[in-house]
Amino acid sequence: NAGVMQNPRHLVRRRGQEARLRCSPMKGHSHVYWYRQLPEEGLKFMVYLQKENIIDESGMPKERFSAEFPKEGPSILRIQQVVRGDSAAYFCASSPPTTGYNEQFFGPGTRLTVL
Amino acid sequence: GEDVEQSLFLSVREGDSSVINCTYTDSSSTYLYWYKQEPGAGLQLLTYIFSNMDMKQDQRLTVLLNKKDKHLSLRIADTQTGDSAIYFCAESSYSGSARQLTFGSGTQLTVLP
Repeated sequence: NAGVMQNPRHLVRRRGQEARLRCSPMKGHSHVYWYRQLPEEGLKFMVYLQKENIIDESGMPKERFSAEFPKEGPSILRIQQVVRGDSAAYFCASSPPTTGYNEQFFGPGTRLTVL
Repeated sequence: GEDVEQSLFLSVREGDSSVINCTYTDSSSTYLYWYKQEPGAGLQLLTYIFSNMDMKQDQRLTVLLNKKDKHLSLRIADTQTGDSAIYFCAESSYSGSARQLTFGSGTQLTVLP
């Protein structure tokens, strides 16, 4: 059973370009979470999705950021018109549908560098 | 809002015990977690504790929870060089559909030979 997969592992963009980050959850997991880790900091929650639904986007910046988790295919975190402050590691996690203990399995992350 | 705090650095000698501390503010926390992050890698769940427990032991790892003081600690016995990593404390609580984890800023553990 493959773990959570993210690609690309490293992404370089110039200011103003778009960044697309992909996350494939573990098999059988229908819940996906995106977190951002700025240098020297902990992970900050961005968004929680289930298939075709955004459940909690309280951590998403109001502009330029969007996320989706379609019925088929990976979850996508999209950042439009990137700025230098978007440089960070973006981690995806997945969990099975459960109402109790919430173990989130993390992917290796995508390290975004904005030049 | 929720806040989780940790000290930034800890150095120990190989073979000694390491104790990493964490404080949190959300009294409705249901589960508390310890994650390990090695350089360039994602987070690996080490252990977790349910909020109605005081202690949990798992091989070399011991988690202590003082719910009154909102203090969590992770003890690593017989620390090895392979334990060098960043350790994150995290908490989760459930309100409605909220399932997010709130992380501390991480403690960099350095194990000296």
